Amino acid sequence: EDQVTQSPEALRLQEGESSSLNCSYTVSGLRGLFWYRQDPGKGPEFLFTLYSAGEEKEKERLKATLTKKESFLHITAPKPEDSATYLCAVQPNMEYGNKLVFGAGTILRVKS
Amino acid sequence: NAGVTQTPKFRVLKTGQSMTLLCAQDMNHEYMYWYRQDPGMGLRLIHYSVGEGTTAKGEVPDGYNVSRLKKQNFLLGLESAAPSQTSVYFCASSYPGQSDQPQHFGDGTRLSIL
Repeated sequence: EDQVTQSPEALRLQEGESSSLNCSYTVSGLRGLFWYRQDPGKGPEFLFTLYSAGEEKEKERLKATLTKKESFLHITAPKPEDSATYLCAVQPNMEYGNKLVFGAGTILRVKS
Repeated sequence: NAGVTQTPKFRVLKTGQSMTLLCAQDMNHEYMYWYRQDPGMGLRLIHYSVGEGTTAKGEVPDGYNVSRLKKQNFLLGLESAAPSQTSVYFCASSYPGQSDQPQHFGDGTRLSIL
């Protein structure tokens, strides 16, 4: 069974305090791993897609990396506006309809 | 830049009542999806559609029905609402085929069943 586990469930950081969020997955074959950001009362907003182990992608203070078993979302010198829930999802190979399997998310709070 | 629009944004129902949630997208996407989001459980797929006139079951389809009569619209129906269906419902859409085309989400419908 395809499964995604995110840790920690919640993370509190001081502004400027770098850290990482973890996404561990088990999947029969990985077509892609997706990171989304979700603000309170809003829908998920796409951040990155990663396809193969060793791949990295960056956007502002965020960098996503991928291994064969997990992905990390590194946040460098976060600001209060980075506070959100970060969701990880996997798309299994040959998955009809491009369906995604989501993790429960990590709630990030950055205090000034 | 409307993207994916969901209506209504909030709704309170009594047990046994029925209602329909509407999702509209203006990106000419072939694929559309309905998810529910509950605390601590992440997004779970209810039903999805790979094109006009087609629908398929997702992970948690019981108690829901869907229709895709037009390419841009995807409707989610609750025939007889139950308290267990209290949740936030999200609609998403995407292009087919390539995984570098992510799913785009609406801002959700918050549904309470009393």
